[in-house]
Amino acid sequence: EDKVVQSPLSLVVHEGDTVTLNCSYEVTNFRSLLWYKQEKKAPTFLFMLTSSGIEKKSGRLSSILDKKELFSILNITATQTGDSAVYLCAVVTEGDSNYQLIWGAGTKLIIKP
Amino acid sequence: DARVTQTPRHKVTEMGQEVTMRCQPILGHNTVFWYRQTMMQGLELLAYFRNRAPLDDSGMPKDRFSAEMPDATLATLKIQPSEPRDSAVYFCASGLGGLNEQFFGPGTRLTVL
Repeated sequence: EDKVVQSPLSLVVHEGDTVTLNCSYEVTNFRSLLWYKQEKKAPTFLFMLTSSGIEKKSGRLSSILDKKELFSILNITATQTGDSAVYLCAVVTEGDSNYQLIWGAGTKLIIKP
Repeated sequence: DARVTQTPRHKVTEMGQEVTMRCQPILGHNTVFWYRQTMMQGLELLAYFRNRAPLDDSGMPKDRFSAEMPDATLATLKIQPSEPRDSAVYFCASGLGGLNEQFFGPGTRLTVL
């Protein structure tokens, strides 16, 4: 059975700290991995990763995929209180006639001032 | 400012009643997704459409749930009859092409008493 596991489930750090969130997966026919940020409302897209070893970067956020070890990490440097959110990871797999999307349970990140 | 819209934003109903949730995807997007989110289960993909055709609804309880796209600007999710365990936030998302970047609507918070 395909699965996506995120760790830690929750994390509390102080403003200015750097955090690393993990997403590991066991799936057949991997196609891509997606990171989303969910604050109080709907998830918003952060990154899509398809190739191993290529870092995606946006401001203080960056992410990288390791297809050999089957995981991805999301780094946030110089954290701010506005980074507090649930970070969701999802893996897209390719089936016979369609694609599947498997979501992790999320990491709840709390940034203390 | 293109965005996905969902109506209603909140719905409280009694067990056994029919519930219809509506979604207007971003103009030009050809894939539409329905998700359910609860504290216990996290984010679950219920169904998705490409070019109005249902591609996958394996995540949806078929006996009471149905999803349709009457036209390219409207997607509906119906629950009949509703049950208390259906209480959740239902998100609609739209995108272009495959399961990559998705834009989420604000969600419909459903409470079934």
